[in-house]
Amino acid sequence: AQSVTQLDSQVPVFEEAPVELRCNYSSSVSVYLFWYVQYPNQGLQLLLKYLSGSTLVKGINGFEAEFNKSQTSFHLRKPSVHISDTAEYFCAVGRNSGNTPLVFGKGTRLSVIA
Amino acid sequence: DAMVIQNPRYQVTQFGKPVTLSCSQTLNHNVMYWYQQKSSQAPKLLFHYYDKDFNNEADTPDNFQSRRPNTSFCFLDIRSPGLGDAAMYLCATSTGGRPNEQFFGPGTRLTVL
Repeated sequence: AQSVTQLDSQVPVFEEAPVELRCNYSSSVSVYLFWYVQYPNQGLQLLLKYLSGSTLVKGINGFEAEFNKSQTSFHLRKPSVHISDTAEYFCAVGRNSGNTPLVFGKGTRLSVIA
Repeated sequence: DAMVIQNPRYQVTQFGKPVTLSCSQTLNHNVMYWYQQKSSQAPKLLFHYYDKDFNNEADTPDNFQSRRPNTSFCFLDIRSPGLGDAAMYLCATSTGGRPNEQFFGPGTRLTVL
């Protein structure tokens, strides 16, 4: 079975500063990895995904993430955050065989301070 | 635009009064999911349908049921809502193939009085 650990439940950061949200996973099989963002009172929106190939993945809103197989990590980064990036961020893992639902981490609350 | 639609966005019900939440999709996806999300928590999977095959999570209370009359629609029925069932309910879909990327609706916020 897969599992996801998001190491920080809350991350406060000043506007225009860089940010990294950490995600580690465990799985006995090859996986796909996803980051979703959730704004207040909304559903989850896909930020980016790693399926295969290049380990550096670029997503929407200037976010990127790097897949590190040896460290089983998929950390999300943005070089300069905006107030509008304040939201909840969820890392998720899915098996690349069979059809099982994604496993979500507990989420990281990013608060951007003006 | 292809999308996942949830109605209503906000639902108020009384303690013990049955309530139904609806989800529809124009993506023609095979799989539909229902999640419960409480404040500041991760979404918790309640059940999912792969086509007509129903998959219930082991810890989903019997109070929660679901129906999928066709590919496009899926309903969540809460037979006797308790105060602890107040939450955001999220519907999601996926193709059923690989990768199993999930597409989410905007959610329904359920309040139980």
